[in-house]
Amino acid sequence: GAVVSQHPSRVICKSGTSVKIECRSLDFQATTMFWYRQFPKQSLMLMATSNEGSKATYEQGVEKDKFLINHASLTLSTLTVTSAHPEDSSFYICSARAGGHFNSPLHFGNGTRLTVT
Amino acid sequence: AQTVTQSQPEMSVQEAETVTLSCTYDTSESDYYLFWYKQPPSRQMILVIRQEAYKQQNATENRFSVNFQKAAKSFSLKISDSQLGDAAMYFCAYSRGNQFYFGTGTSLTVIP
Repeated sequence: GAVVSQHPSRVICKSGTSVKIECRSLDFQATTMFWYRQFPKQSLMLMATSNEGSKATYEQGVEKDKFLINHASLTLSTLTVTSAHPEDSSFYICSARAGGHFNSPLHFGNGTRLTVT
Repeated sequence: AQTVTQSQPEMSVQEAETVTLSCTYDTSESDYYLFWYKQPPSRQMILVIRQEAYKQQNATENRFSVNFQKAAKSFSLKISDSQLGDAAMYFCAYSRGNQFYFGTGTSLTVIP
């Protein structure tokens, strides 16, 4: 149980275009989902906390107008990278807690490798 | 913000041997949770083991066990009988409320 599906796994886009990444909880409801960014051989950097039915909470230094997050249902959160630039190329991972308890571990999607040319 | 420190960027172990990965954290709270995650080359994050801070007994999951020292704010992971499939990045994580903080990771190499 507690499966998180993330799509697409890889995407290549041209500079200036927008890219949408989807994160779905397949067998549980997630009122909160988390979006991370990971550079090669580095740790996960929390970008934002996505809250169902309300605005996302962004970490300091993350541009909310560039990284648009929508959490329209209890099983789906989306991250849209707007006007992408080569420096946005990275590995993006979403996660969610099953059960809603604070002692529940995070379950992760398989990640999306974004390449902006 | 809480900080999680993994002082060993890289570790190696002979197959079938035991290795211990270190993790320390900084917090003023008494109730929190600690986790170890594994990230193999596939980049999928996999939960290895969890520990509740209010429990004194160290968590164990098959070949994986932790040494939780609450006063020292230390949470090390011991892998026994290491296998080739254990090769991965290992991240220590601290959680309280809706916050999750990851350490910088330790890259584990298993030598055949």
